[in-house]
Amino acid sequence: DQQVKQNSPSLSVQEGRISILNCDYTNSMFDYFLWYKKYPAEGPTFLISISSIKDKNEDGRFTVFLNKSAKHLSLHIVPSQPGDSAVYFCAASLKTSYDKVIFGPGTSLSVIP
Amino acid sequence: SQTIHQWPATLVQPVGSPLSLECTVEGTSNPNLYWYRQAAGRGLQLLFYSVGIGQISSEVPQNLSASRPQDRQFILSSKKLLLSDSGFYLCAWSTGFPNIQYFGAGTRLSVL
Repeated sequence: DQQVKQNSPSLSVQEGRISILNCDYTNSMFDYFLWYKKYPAEGPTFLISISSIKDKNEDGRFTVFLNKSAKHLSLHIVPSQPGDSAVYFCAASLKTSYDKVIFGPGTSLSVIP
Repeated sequence: SQTIHQWPATLVQPVGSPLSLECTVEGTSNPNLYWYRQAAGRGLQLLFYSVGIGQISSEVPQNLSASRPQDRQFILSSKKLLLSDSGFYLCAWSTGFPNIQYFGAGTRLSVL
């Protein structure tokens, strides 16, 4: 049973436009959410996170939005750059199990120059 | 600053051979440690995690095992590799909540 879902395996966006990556989760106990970026043959790198007590968190070109009632979060990248082309993983932590994080399957973003 | 080392970067092994992948973390103490596998075109599958020396939790029953002989050392092993063990193996560490995990560069394992 996949608790963290990223239903779009891939996404293509023009350079300079907005990239929106979506993530849905099933467990209402999740209280901390993270986004990671991964280039081929490298380990994922932490990008941005959000606590369940917030509905928005910004860091430069990256903004994460959380809609707890819909169990949905999204990552916005504005403006998109070719270097943003990578696989993006959504992840979630459980309140009662801070020792592990559950990752989604990832969305491959291609930013076209 | 904290760093994580994972080696080797690439490994080609025959079916039935043993495996030992090592991961070490520097610059922090008592980290949580993790082993993940990413199969081709798939997401990250948590294999093992450890919250302390000698404490190993297994997420997926399989041909692999993990050990934590020292605080900042995490080892992934197998006695006999299967073809299905091929994949990209990642080690990660965190210091608890918020559970932001920091990953090593990964090991590409090909079992032939």
